[in-house]
Amino acid sequence: KNEVEQSPQNLTAQEGEFITINCSYSVGISALHWLQQHPGGGIVSLFMLSSGKKKHGRLIATINIQEKHSSLHITASHPRDSAVYICAVRSGRDDKIIFGKGTRLHILP
Amino acid sequence: SAVISQKPSRDICQRGTSLTIQCQVDSQVTMMFWYRQQPGQSLTLIATANQGSEATYESGFVIDKFPISRPNLTFSTLTVSNMSPEDSSIYLCSVEFGGRGRDTFGSGTRLTVV
Repeated sequence: KNEVEQSPQNLTAQEGEFITINCSYSVGISALHWLQQHPGGGIVSLFMLSSGKKKHGRLIATINIQEKHSSLHITASHPRDSAVYICAVRSGRDDKIIFGKGTRLHILP
Repeated sequence: SAVISQKPSRDICQRGTSLTIQCQVDSQVTMMFWYRQQPGQSLTLIATANQGSEATYESGFVIDKFPISRPNLTFSTLTVSNMSPEDSSIYLCSVEFGGRGRDTFGSGTRLTVV
């Protein structure tokens, strides 16, 4: 079992829909990151979380440390949101970053 | 947080050649990290680069194949040597700056070996 699990693996939705991507992890962490990987491979950091909730534009990220779970939400989704979204945690055990396999999101116009 | 400039963003290379990827950070950082993402896989740590000492490689990665330089506290390079099509991947650098867990990521390098 991977230490960082994302769901769903793939998600196709219509423009305007509310999107939720989930990340569960099994190790103690010092921080959790959400990254966006564009179709060309370029990576953009969206959020770093250690507790609570953060919002940036139409993106919202939450984390529940007790449940070892984080969610990334996209409101009013748009085709330009189509990308792979990656959850990564910095392990408190060995201080290394562990990446999830990513969720491939496709928003249809 | 720090800002990383990673170059090149993509390249197509002939097998048997080598490619050097650069990461420049706008702040001095102790450690820089290099990752690889093979097609369909998650990002995996290749090595940790400390300034002034040899890089520490993860299991399955060796210095002869992935030599790393770290000449100062703001710069590092990763070379993919004697490339084969199996080296076609995305390569990524990152740093931790400004506190524990405050990681910054480069934009990635998409390498295709033909």
